[in-house]
Amino acid sequence: DARVTQTPRHKVTEMGQEVTMRCQPILGHNTVFWYRQTMMQGLELLAYFRNRAPLDDSGMPKDRFSAEMPDATLATLKIQPSEPRDSAVYFCASGIDRGETQYFGPGTRLLVL
Amino acid sequence: DAKTTQPPSMDCAEGRAANLPCNHSTISGNEYVYWYRQIHSQGPQYIIHGLKNNETNEMASLIITEDRKSSTLILPHATLRDTAVYYCIVRAMNTGTASKLTFGTGTRLQVTL
Repeated sequence: DARVTQTPRHKVTEMGQEVTMRCQPILGHNTVFWYRQTMMQGLELLAYFRNRAPLDDSGMPKDRFSAEMPDATLATLKIQPSEPRDSAVYFCASGIDRGETQYFGPGTRLLVL
Repeated sequence: DAKTTQPPSMDCAEGRAANLPCNHSTISGNEYVYWYRQIHSQGPQYIIHGLKNNETNEMASLIITEDRKSSTLILPHATLRDTAVYYCIVRAMNTGTASKLTFGTGTRLQVTL
């Protein structure tokens, strides 16, 4: 049963610390999406990649957030420095090109104190 | 992508059909209607999508009106495990880049005994 995996599942950190979240897309999928979910804003798209190239990161705060795909099996979302307002659930999803379905991971629950 | 309007919440008795409406009066000819759901503490899950014909799969049925300005997701025999937030999303295909999902606030479906 192919699934998107995300690590860590939970992260508590202090303001100013660096946070790195990792995502392993489903094998064979070439599109990766990062979303953030908060009670106030709901689900927001932060960035997405196709064939490891960033296509759109307009939803991401550029000064502190960065997203990369070092290889086809790993996507990372980094926050440096983290702030309390970054507390949210971060979801990774993968798919195939402009395909019909995005498959979401279980999310990383981030709390910045 | 066209905007969608959904009721904020609905209740349904277990075993009965759950009919979740969605209005998308500004939908364009090349835009599909997608439904995802999010069970508490999990990532969103794809349910079904369609362009203009009614669609059915193992999870649900999708009924799209002839003018395509609204649609209804039908869960034929709702169970307690169907309790979730259901998102109706209108999305263009073949736009030249990976298509994004723009999530609204969805409908919170509560299935009761």
